[in-house]
Amino acid sequence: QVQLQESGPGLAKPSQTLSLTCTVSGGSISSGGYYWSWIRQHPVKGLEWIGYIYDSGSTYYNPSFKTRVTISVNTSKNQFSLMVRSVTAADTAVYYCARESLAGEALDPWGQGTLVTVSS
Amino acid sequence: ETVMTQSPATLSVSPGERATLSCRASESVSSNLAWYQQKPGQAPKLLIYGASTRATGIPARFSGSGSGTEFTLTISSLQSEDFAVYYCQQYSNWPQTFGQGTKLEI
Repeated sequence: QVQLQESGPGLAKPSQTLSLTCTVSGGSISSGGYYWSWIRQHPVKGLEWIGYIYDSGSTYYNPSFKTRVTISVNTSKNQFSLMVRSVTAADTAVYYCARESLAGEALDPWGQGTLVTVSS
Repeated sequence: ETVMTQSPATLSVSPGERATLSCRASESVSSNLAWYQQKPGQAPKLLIYGASTRATGIPARFSGSGSGTEFTLTISSLQSEDFAVYYCQQYSNWPQTFGQGTKLEI
């Protein structure tokens, strides 16, 4: 069965770039039929969908992030990545990667999540 | 964006009883509605998609209903492992949005 695992620094400084990677195991990211997603969870604001990428490289982002976010895919490593630029304390959250079916079967599975704290 | 409103914020129920959780969308999301369960320190887990289809491995005591703007998650006979936070999510309109959650407590 497919499993996802986030990795990356747990601390980022204000104004810098947050970078995370999601490694997919048990299946190929190039198999088609899925979007590969990033979601974050604030202690107070709750769950927020960030965006997703298709294996072709097509991306879709939440407009609330404007141009601060980039999602990319590395099919040779079976990974996809998230960059959030110009971070502030408001970007402190648990970041999750997840798979979303094109067939409308929602987000499943999810990675275990990784806490990123933005602080100087 | 589509605002998802869940009620109640907290629901206190005894084991063996039925729990009914509600989710309302600010505009129609058709049947593109999912429910997730989240326990402390864990990622959300998909329970229901398409408003009423149980995800693989989800017990039959979990059921979802509704379409358009009004949705319900029912847990027919609560087990100890069901006490958690439940979120609804719409994936009809862009961007996808989540409700603020309902905490199901003993």
